[in-house]
Amino acid sequence: EIVLTQSPGTLSLSPGERATLSCRASQSVHSNYLAWYQQKPGQAPRLLIHGASSRATGIPDRFRGSGSGTDFTLTISRLEPEDFAVYYCQQYGSSPRYSFGQGTKLEIK
Amino acid sequence: EVQLLESGGGLLQSGGSLRLSCAASGFDFNSYAMNWVRQAPGKGLKWVSAIRHSDGATFYADSVQGRFTITRDTSRSTVYLQMNSLRAEDTAVYYCTRIGQPGAFDLWGQGTMVTVSS
Repeated sequence: EIVLTQSPGTLSLSPGERATLSCRASQSVHSNYLAWYQQKPGQAPRLLIHGASSRATGIPDRFRGSGSGTDFTLTISRLEPEDFAVYYCQQYGSSPRYSFGQGTKLEIK
Repeated sequence: EVQLLESGGGLLQSGGSLRLSCAASGFDFNSYAMNWVRQAPGKGLKWVSAIRHSDGATFYADSVQGRFTITRDTSRSTVYLQMNSLRAEDTAVYYCTRIGQPGAFDLWGQGTMVTVSS
């Protein structure tokens, strides 16, 4: 099973700042099948990025995914108040043995 | 509207059984594999089970293998999760998700809570 490790665990930033979230895989993710999800309190997760760098439908362009192999990054260029949430990475290259990272909490500083 | 609507959660004792349902609407159910993902209180996301649309093949996480069964009823556009021999560690919100192409979970239900007391 591919283990995903996200860092940092918590990121404290202010609106307007740039956020950089990391996801490292224990082995190479097949075809860069890496997704990012956003989850707000009391809500279901929402798909942001798939294929490491493709934005899902309706996702603003301030969200950018990058990386390949074992190292992936989610960058939010200018934080909006609604962006403060928990973010999870997930690999689906070893489907159906899907795995998620433990999450990064993005909180308002 | 494209959506997934789960139901069937509840409170029960360890060793009991429960069946969750997920009704899909607004898209061609027969064209998508479906998933269950769970989230224990205050914890992260864990994949539970998947069912392939092409041949009905099923897959399970090791933690639920032999206890949980995923099925789908194409006539009702519904996927089910039969959970037997429930344990306290199965306590979680259970989300039904659609597996898009080529495999990210592109649609989620609102979740249904399962609480297993020991």
